[in-house]
Amino acid sequence: DAKTTQPPSMDCAEGRAANLPCNHSTISGNEYVYWYRQIHSQGPQYIIHGLKNNETNEMASLIITEDRKSSTLILPHATLRDTAVYYCIVRSDYNNNDMRFGAGTRLTVKP
Amino acid sequence: DTAVSQTPKYLVTQMGNDKSIKCEQNLGHDTMYWYKQDSKKFLKIMFSYNNKELIINETVPNRFSPKSPDKAHLNLHINSLELGDSAVYFCASSQWAGGSSYEQYFGPGTRLTVT
Repeated sequence: DAKTTQPPSMDCAEGRAANLPCNHSTISGNEYVYWYRQIHSQGPQYIIHGLKNNETNEMASLIITEDRKSSTLILPHATLRDTAVYYCIVRSDYNNNDMRFGAGTRLTVKP
Repeated sequence: DTAVSQTPKYLVTQMGNDKSIKCEQNLGHDTMYWYKQDSKKFLKIMFSYNNKELIINETVPNRFSPKSPDKAHLNLHINSLELGDSAVYFCASSQWAGGSSYEQYFGPGTRLTVT
């Protein structure tokens, strides 16, 4: 079973920042937070991951709270092509295979 | 130059048949996976192979058998297909080194419909 809680759906205006929250209150010290997205039945796509520090790449930023019990994925300038289901996953550093998807958040970017 | 490819993209077959889905990755990864996404869109891991050895089997019926001829390929063979096997099957790959975590790259999926 997934170890994370996400809102089932969110809307965002095109060009604005999309902030997707995730709760992972039972996360343990060796578990990373990963974000993937799935665009309309395509294969899931890796976005970003982090352990303690905030992370940024060309797609998004990941903000992890100091107690690591929650995080936020930020898409700085959402486009229509960012409409997708976004999955937040916690995964052990020592078990590369233990990636369990929950229901995710369906983000709809509107013009 | 597709990273993870699957064939076929669509597969329609009758109950009781045996079918295979092929997966290939050209990323040089040493771990490959099969996931099943059902009609409710939940994505669940089925199998994982690391250097041609099975390292996960998540309570999948033994009608499903993964076969890995080499570390670039992980095929999924399904015997005696049932209606409940209808789903989208995704193949994925990643690099694995004990103690280090790496992202997984997914294929485009195979939509299996059993009639």
